Amino acid sequence: AQRVTQPEKLLSVFKGAPVELKCNYSYSGSPELFWYVQYSRQRLQLLLRHISRESIKGFTADLNKGETSFHLKKPFAQEEDSAMYYCALAPGSARQLTFGSGTQLTVLP
Amino acid sequence: DVKVTQSSRYLVKRTGEKVFLECVQDMDHENMFWYRQDPGLGLRLIYFSYDVKMKEKGDIPEGYSVSREKKERFSLILESASTNQTSMYLCASSLGTQYFGPGTRLTVL
Repeated sequence: AQRVTQPEKLLSVFKGAPVELKCNYSYSGSPELFWYVQYSRQRLQLLLRHISRESIKGFTADLNKGETSFHLKKPFAQEEDSAMYYCALAPGSARQLTFGSGTQLTVLP
Repeated sequence: DVKVTQSSRYLVKRTGEKVFLECVQDMDHENMFWYRQDPGLGLRLIYFSYDVKMKEKGDIPEGYSVSREKKERFSLILESASTNQTSMYLCASSLGTQYFGPGTRLTVL
């Protein structure tokens, strides 16, 4: 069975500092990886997916199959990035997602 | 723009009551999902459906059932609510990317 691990429950950085949210997964096949974000009082929404290889709101994530990781990075954090971030995995062609436990990011002024 | 709505934002029920949570999507998506979201545990899949009258168990189906009589509507049913079912319930629909509803905060007393 697949598993997604986000080792940091809480992460605080200062505005303008780089930020990296860690995500590791276990799955024997070729998964599809996602990052979802939930801002305060808003619904969960897709931030980015690895197959699109695009940068959203300055965030990027690279799938490292050797290390089975999909870390989310941003070079200069902004206060509006404060939110809960979830890493998620879809195994192969399956429709359902397995989520990590989430990381609450706080960007301090 | 995809719209996923859930019937209630907040719900308070008593132990043993039968509880219905409704989810409606307006994008003709085949796939619909029910998750519960708990601090420190992330999102866990309860049930999903990939077509009308079809349902599949997720990771934590015990104590829950679902109904999908129409493509746009996916209902989650708690046959006899218990205090450990107090949680935030999220509905999602997808063709590929999952789109989430605003959530229902259920409290079972």
